[in-house]
Amino acid sequence: RKEVEQDPGPFNVPEGATVAFNCTYSNSASQSFFWYRQDCRKEPKLLMSVYSSGNEDGRFTAQLNRASQYISLLIRDSKLSDSATYLCAVSLAGGYQKVTFGTGTKLQVIP
Amino acid sequence: SQTIHQWPATLVQPVGSPLSLECTVEGTSNPNLYWYRQAAGRGLQLLFYSVGIGQISSEVPQNLSASRPQDRQFILSSKKLLLSDSGFYLCAWTGGASYGYTFGSGTRLTVV
Repeated sequence: RKEVEQDPGPFNVPEGATVAFNCTYSNSASQSFFWYRQDCRKEPKLLMSVYSSGNEDGRFTAQLNRASQYISLLIRDSKLSDSATYLCAVSLAGGYQKVTFGTGTKLQVIP
Repeated sequence: SQTIHQWPATLVQPVGSPLSLECTVEGTSNPNLYWYRQAAGRGLQLLFYSVGIGQISSEVPQNLSASRPQDRQFILSSKKLLLSDSGFYLCAWTGGASYGYTFGSGTRLTVV
């Protein structure tokens, strides 16, 4: 089983729609969780950290379910500019903070 | 503010040639530094990480090596490139477990 798994998509959604991605992780000792956004042929950029109580940043909401070992990202009122690949990332507690990434979920927002 | 620089942006190298990619971080001291590779259509694979000058840990045995000659400089090298070394190489740094990574702009390497 992969350490971090995501549905590769693509998710094709119309502008204004709400879309949600899930990401499962295998190591129950994982401590830190993140969502990254990666545009085509660019470096990943941190979108948001995921906190135990869930957190929101504008149209983006991230949640963590430790019991089922998954994190989710909800995007409301999708914009064309949201089209990208979304990577989830998980790290164990540790001195060097190794982060394991999922392979990403591709989102295409359609006019 | 902290910035991370990575060069070159694009590189085409013949099989068997050497490689040297450089990454530098500004605006912070004693960062944890990482080299990742992303092959076409694949996920990010951690290659090396460093918690300090001269301290290198390898995650995947292969014909690549890394060095950290200065606190904010991280170098990825190879003596002889293979076709399978093609990919998007990304340097990253972090200041702590809860902050996530900041990536450099990456080097797209094609071995021909």
